[in-house]
Amino acid sequence: GAGVSQSPSNKVTEKGKDVELRCDPISGHTALYWYRQSLGQGLEFLIYFQGNSAPDKSGLPSDRFSAERTGGSVSTLTIQRTQQEDSAVYLCASSSSRDGKNIQYFGAGTRLSVL
Amino acid sequence: AQKITQTQPGMFVQEKEAVTLDCTYDTSDQSYGLFWYKQPSSGEMIFLIYQGSYDEQNATEGRYSLNFQKARKSANLVISASQLGDSAMYFCAMRGVRSANSKLTFGKGITLSVRP
Repeated sequence: GAGVSQSPSNKVTEKGKDVELRCDPISGHTALYWYRQSLGQGLEFLIYFQGNSAPDKSGLPSDRFSAERTGGSVSTLTIQRTQQEDSAVYLCASSSSRDGKNIQYFGAGTRLSVL
Repeated sequence: AQKITQTQPGMFVQEKEAVTLDCTYDTSDQSYGLFWYKQPSSGEMIFLIYQGSYDEQNATEGRYSLNFQKARKSANLVISASQLGDSAMYFCAMRGVRSANSKLTFGKGITLSVRP
C-alpha cells in the first residue's frame, strides 16, 4: 500500500508475555519512528531509525523495549515481559528528507492491552 | 529542549464556520518545523499542515491555514468552513530542523466538535 502499515491493529496479551509489533513504512522513506500514545502521557517518542545509522533509542522507557529495522524497511518493536503500564497505542511513522520538510506520516497504530 | 502547549479545553464550532486552535511552543533551536495533525476516533494521525520557522508566509493547505507568529512563538491552526468530518483531536507538534534526531514533540491535543 501507499501508506504506513502497522500490524496487528489490536493486541491483547497477559502480563509477563512478550509481544511484537510490526511497522511497514512508506516505500523509499529512510527514516522510521516509533511513538507511544497513552492517556496519562500523551504522545511519547520511543525510537528513531535513519538509514543505516545506529538507531536513537533515547525514548525507550526500559530495557524490556527493543526495536530493529531489517533491510532499511520493515521495523519490529518488541516488548518483553509486558506490564499493565505498557497498555497504550503504539504508532509508527516514516519520513523522507527529499521535500526538505521531513513530514512524518503515521500508520493507524497498534492498540496494546495488557491484562 | 522543546515544548508544545495546547491549553484550550474541548472546542465547539458550528458547521460552515471558521475555528482557531491555539498552539504555543518553546525551543532553543534557531531552525525548526511546526506541524499540525488530526486524529479522528479511528486513531490514525493525519498530517495537515507544515510551517518552517524561516518561511516568510503563513502556510495554507486547502481549508487549513497556519497563523504563525514567530515573535510570540505561536502557531495557531485555522480551519475555515468547518465540516462534520472535522470533529477530531488536533495535535500541534514541532521538531528542530538541524537536530540529529528529528523526532516530533507533541502537545496534549485539542478536541474539536463540529455541530450541525
